[in-house]
Amino acid sequence: NAGVTQTPKFQVLKTGQSMTLQCAQDMNHEYMSWYRQDPGMGLRLIHYSVGAGITDQGEVPNGYNVSRSTTEDFPLRLLSAAPSQTSVYFCASSLMWTRQETQYFGPGTRLLVL
Amino acid sequence: AQTVTQSQPEMSVQEAETVTLSCTYDTSESNYYLFWYKQPPSRQMILVIRQEAYKQQNATENRFSVNFQKAAKSFSLKISDSQLGDTAMYFCAFMKVQGGSEKLVFGKGTKLTVNP
Repeated sequence: NAGVTQTPKFQVLKTGQSMTLQCAQDMNHEYMSWYRQDPGMGLRLIHYSVGAGITDQGEVPNGYNVSRSTTEDFPLRLLSAAPSQTSVYFCASSLMWTRQETQYFGPGTRLLVL
Repeated sequence: AQTVTQSQPEMSVQEAETVTLSCTYDTSESNYYLFWYKQPPSRQMILVIRQEAYKQQNATENRFSVNFQKAAKSFSLKISDSQLGDTAMYFCAFMKVQGGSEKLVFGKGTKLTVNP
């Protein structure tokens, strides 16, 4: 198993540009989530999904959209990037959300918005 | 709302020695999970150890063990026989069990440096 994969590893955007951060897992996990990590802030939940077709907002959802059309993929979309979205983004997944299974993290995507 | 506090922004330890990282949390929940994650310079988040709140026995994973004090809402991580590869950021995290989202609430992290 490749586990949780994220692409790209690093991206530079200009203010107002859009892009999609990709996340995929091959472990048949129901639960997937996106976090952002900022210096001195720890990790904060952006959006999460408990299964295909089901998504919900986390702690800091503004400026981000998600969809979950398949079990494997959970892309994060920035419609109009802002410098405040400069951060490191982590995708995580776990087997069954109702059992509070251990979450597995991807390697992260570093995003710089100029 | 749950909060997680790591009071030690940075720590250092000599190779082969033991170090303890502190974590306290605030919750009104009675059943929950606690985690320690390691983030090396590669930035990947790696699960170190997990503790179920209903279990009184402290979790251990090889050189890593926790001291879970439920009444005091304390969850410290002890690393024995520290190795250079243990140099990383360490995050304490909380997850409640019943209802709502399966959201991890993280502390701000402790940067651990293991010196040769």
